[in-house]
Amino acid sequence: AQKVTQAQTEISVVEKEDVTLDCVYETRDTTYYLFWYKQPPSGELVFLIRRNSFDEQNEISGRYSWNFQKSTSSFNFTITASQVVDSAVYFCALSPGAGANNLFFGTGTRLTVIP
Amino acid sequence: GAVVSQHPSWVICKSGTSVKIECRSLDFQATTMFWYRQFPKQSLMLMATSNEGSKATYEQGVEKDKFLINHASLTLSTLTVTSAHPEDSSFYICSARRGQAPGEQYFGPGTRLTVT
Repeated sequence: AQKVTQAQTEISVVEKEDVTLDCVYETRDTTYYLFWYKQPPSGELVFLIRRNSFDEQNEISGRYSWNFQKSTSSFNFTITASQVVDSAVYFCALSPGAGANNLFFGTGTRLTVIP
Repeated sequence: GAVVSQHPSWVICKSGTSVKIECRSLDFQATTMFWYRQFPKQSLMLMATSNEGSKATYEQGVEKDKFLINHASLTLSTLTVTSAHPEDSSFYICSARRGQAPGEQYFGPGTRLTVT
């Protein structure tokens, strides 16, 4: 069975603070893909990152960084120097198998950045 | 590139009527399209997967006779909610897969359905 857990339902931070969103996943597949999506108030999902199970290198993209650790089945997302525009719901998702066809989403973390 | 549109963006209908939602990939051909449902403040739940020219594959618990999916071309998939009831009110999101790259799905902006 596939499962994605985002234990943090809501987080509030003051602008310019750093914030880490946690994601823990479960799968029996040895090949899988992990994703993060942003859903702003408008509703449209915005793709942030895709990582395959064989690539444990951490990634940094501007103020965003991701920490993938297979040993703890976690794929955490950190926003550095948060901005008001970062306010959104963030979803972590898992796609099992080499084909990565289906996406299993976590319940999302609502991030509010207070000016 | 990789833009997916949905129409309508929102719809209000009366209980018992049917509603059709369109999902289009505007600048690419989608080998596969997906339909998700999202309740307020909840996650996206996959409803069905459709491949062009074949029957959709529905997830467990999704009534295929109630949620009719037609994937007539490589750029268009439709979801028809038949005999809608208030409990069908939700945010419906489609996504389209471009090519064979793993997990390369592009999401539409969603359609908010309210059944009165």
